[in-house]
Amino acid sequence: DAGVIQSPRHEVTEMGQEVTLRCKPISGHNSLFWYRQTMMRGLELLIYFNNNVPIDDSGMPEDRFSAKMPNASFSTLKIQPSEPRDSAVYFCASSLGQEAEAFFGQGTRLTVV
Amino acid sequence: QKEVEQNSGPLSVPEGAIASLNCTYSDRVSQSFFWYRQYSGKSPELIMSIYSNGDKEDGRFTAQLNKASQYVSLLIRDSQPSDSATYLCAVRDSSASKIIFGSGTRLSIRP
Repeated sequence: DAGVIQSPRHEVTEMGQEVTLRCKPISGHNSLFWYRQTMMRGLELLIYFNNNVPIDDSGMPEDRFSAKMPNASFSTLKIQPSEPRDSAVYFCASSLGQEAEAFFGQGTRLTVV
Repeated sequence: QKEVEQNSGPLSVPEGAIASLNCTYSDRVSQSFFWYRQYSGKSPELIMSIYSNGDKEDGRFTAQLNKASQYVSLLIRDSQPSDSATYLCAVRDSSASKIIFGSGTRLSIRP
C-alpha cells in the first residue's frame, strides 16, 4: 500500500486566497484525521471523520476552515480566505477501527504571505 | 489542564544508555495509547501501541502503561544517535475516538 497520500507537498499563497489541501487515506481505513502542526502549538487535531462522516470538528479554528470527505478514498481541507497565521504543516492521518493507531501522510507545508 | 502532557525537553542521553520518556493523560477512560517518533521536517511515525496495563517490548523499545496513575512511558535501550528526534505521546479517547497528541519531547543522543 502507498500509505496516506497528501497533495500538494508545499503551497505558497497570498493572503486572501483560497487554499485546498487534499488527502487520500490508506485503502480500507475508516477513520480520517486532519492535524495542524506549528512550533508554538504542536500537533493540533482539526477534524475527525469516521466512515466519511465528520464526528468532531471542535478543533477547526474558524469558519474560514472547512473539511469534506465525499467518499472513503478522498478528503479535502479548505481555507478561505487564507491568512498569514494559517502558515503551518497540515497532516492527514487514517486508521482502521476506533481504537487503532493512525498513520500519517507526508504533510503539506502551507505558507501564506 | 492539557489532555496529554509531556516534558518538552530537550532530554540529552549518552549513546548506549537508556532514554526514558514520560507522558500523562487526563481522560481516565482512555483505551489506546501510542508513541510516535518525528524527525525534523518529517511526519510522525508510529513506534509502539499499547492498550493494557504493564509493559510491551519491541526490540530496543519498551512501552509501559499504568492506567490507575494515567501514565505512559517509553524506554529506549542502547540509545543510538539515530534515535535523536521528537517523541510524541498520543491517546485515543474512549467516546469520540479522536487521537490527541502531547507537545512532544525532544531527545538528543550524544556520542
